[in-house]
Amino acid sequence: SQTIHQWPATLVQPVGSPLSLECTVEGTSNPNLYWYRQAAGRGLQLLFYSVGIGQISSEVPQNLSASRPQDRQFILSSKKLLLSDSGFYLCAWAGTGYYGYTFGSGTRLTVV
Amino acid sequence: AQSVTQLDSQVPVFEEAPVELRCNYSSSVSVYLFWYVQYPNQGLQLLLKYLSGSTLVKGINGFEAEFNKSQTSFHLRKPSVHISDTAEYFCAVLSEKLVFGKGTKLTVNP
Repeated sequence: SQTIHQWPATLVQPVGSPLSLECTVEGTSNPNLYWYRQAAGRGLQLLFYSVGIGQISSEVPQNLSASRPQDRQFILSSKKLLLSDSGFYLCAWAGTGYYGYTFGSGTRLTVV
Repeated sequence: AQSVTQLDSQVPVFEEAPVELRCNYSSSVSVYLFWYVQYPNQGLQLLLKYLSGSTLVKGINGFEAEFNKSQTSFHLRKPSVHISDTAEYFCAVLSEKLVFGKGTKLTVNP
């Protein structure tokens, strides 16, 4: 069966520090991968998605970037964090067909 | 582009009462609709989905939803809620990508 792993679960980082969040999927190949951010009262905002290795689409301009160095690995990064980057970050994967996305357990990022 | 409106940001109910969480969508193409549940500090779990066929969809934990094309709605219902149903519920529409509503916080009180 397919599983999705996301880490770390919580992270407290100072303003201006770098960020790296990792997401990996097991039990499937060539998944579509997604990064969402959830801020209080604002629902879930799609940040990036990827349909293959090295292929990244950005949904909103921001201080973050994403990379997909391997088929089942998706990384969210920042060179210098801002206070506004605080939030709950969720990784998700989807296979072919319209069956919805499967989400990881999320990372709570607090920028101080 | 597709969008989702969840009409209630918070819904308080008493245990064993029925509940309906409302969701309306807009899309210019065929839609695939989903309800997800999120417990505090956790990821999203799929409750149910509508892809085609019967407009009444049954999901996990006793929830069901009805797809109404003429009213562009996909309301979520449960005939009798439990304390453990307290969570945030998200409606979503999938066309090219999955687009979520802002969520409804369901609080079940004893």
